[in-house]
Order: sequence, then C-alpha cells, then structure tokens
Amino acid sequence: AQKVTQAQTEISVVEKEDVTLDCVYETRDTTYYLFWYKQPPSGELVFLIRRNSFDEQNEISGRYSWNFQKSTSSFNFTITASQVVDSAVYFCALSERYSGGGADGLTFGKGTHLIIQP
Amino acid sequence: EAQVTQNPRYLITVTGKKLTVTCSQNMNHEYMSWYRQDPGLGLRQIYYSMNVEVTDKGDVPEGYKVSRKEKRNFPLILESPSPNQTSLYFCASSLNRDTISYEQYFGPGTRLTVT
Repeated sequence: AQKVTQAQTEISVVEKEDVTLDCVYETRDTTYYLFWYKQPPSGELVFLIRRNSFDEQNEISGRYSWNFQKSTSSFNFTITASQVVDSAVYFCALSERYSGGGADGLTFGKGTHLIIQP
Repeated sequence: EAQVTQNPRYLITVTGKKLTVTCSQNMNHEYMSWYRQDPGLGLRQIYYSMNVEVTDKGDVPEGYKVSRKEKRNFPLILESPSPNQTSLYFCASSLNRDTISYEQYFGPGTRLTVT
C-alpha cells in the first residue's frame, strides 16, 4: 500500500529564512507520481509541482525548489528567502500509475503547517 | 474556463438533516472523486467514479452516498449527518483512469459543520 509521511506537523521561521519541508513516501510500484500542494488560509488547494518516478532531476521555480531522491524515497520542498505569503499548509501526495484495488487517486500526507513570521 | 465547482462553499447544519453537496466539472472528465480533509489527517478519499453510473468506495465511505447520473455531476449525499462529518470537502476530476495518477483538478472546497 502506498503511504506518504510528512513528519513535520508545524514549522515556524522568521521571514527571509530558508525552510525545507520533508516528504517521505512508500510504494511498491515502479511508476508513480509525486505532488506538492499548497493550501493557504482561504482553503483552496493550489497545485505546485508534479514529478514522475523516472525523472529525478531537481526542479527550481523562483524561490521554490524540489529535491527528489529515489534512493531515500524522499521528495523534499525548499523555500528560499521565505515570505509571509508562504504561510500555508503544504501537502505532499503520491499516486501510483495503477492502484491495485481499493481507493483510487491520490494518497496525501498529513500536511505541514508553515508559519512565516514577519 | 476549465473548472470544478462545488456548492455550497460553506454549510452549517444539524445532526440528522439530510444534505447534498454538489460537484460539477465542465471538462468532460470521466473520473471524479470526493475527499475529506481533517486536521492532522490530510485528505482522504471518500468515493470515486470512473464514469457515469460507475462508483466505488474510497478509504472513508461510511456515512456518505454518491451518484453519477451525468458525466459532469457527482453529488455527495449525507443522509443523516453527524458531528464527526464536520470537515472540509474537496471534489476532484480527471480526464479518465489513465490520467488520474498525474493530473487531477480540485474544486474550491466545501466547509461543512454539523452541530
């Protein structure tokens, strides 16, 4: 069964600090996708990134970067020079190419509440 | 504009009073699903539908019903709501089974409070 662990329940940093959100996943499939979503206080889910299991290249998008390491089953998310607007709950999620039965769709971690203090 | 809409966005109700949360998508997607989000638990799938008249249980289906009579709509029905169904609900859709794994569109969420 697939599983996503976000061990950090809450992180609080001061603005302009760098912060890394950890995500560790478990899957028996060789083909899968990993995602990060942002949930601001308004509640909607904002898609940030998708990465497939065959693409281990790290990605950078402005102040955001993602480090995917299959060897450690991790897909960590770093925000550089954090800003107050980055305050949100961040979810890591996993989807296998074909689930073996039971629930279908995305398996989410429990989320990390990131607080950026001014 | 391609989107998934949910109504209502906010709802406060009382125990036992039947309610329906609607979900509609305008992208001709075959696959639709419902998730609930609870603090400290992340999002968990309630039900999903591969196509019209085809529905199946997710991880937490107890206390919920769904129907898929039309491709664009996937309502979530709570026949007798209880306080433990107080949650934030998300509807999602995807083109078909092959795209579920890498592309899902989420609605804006419905915040339900059952007193």
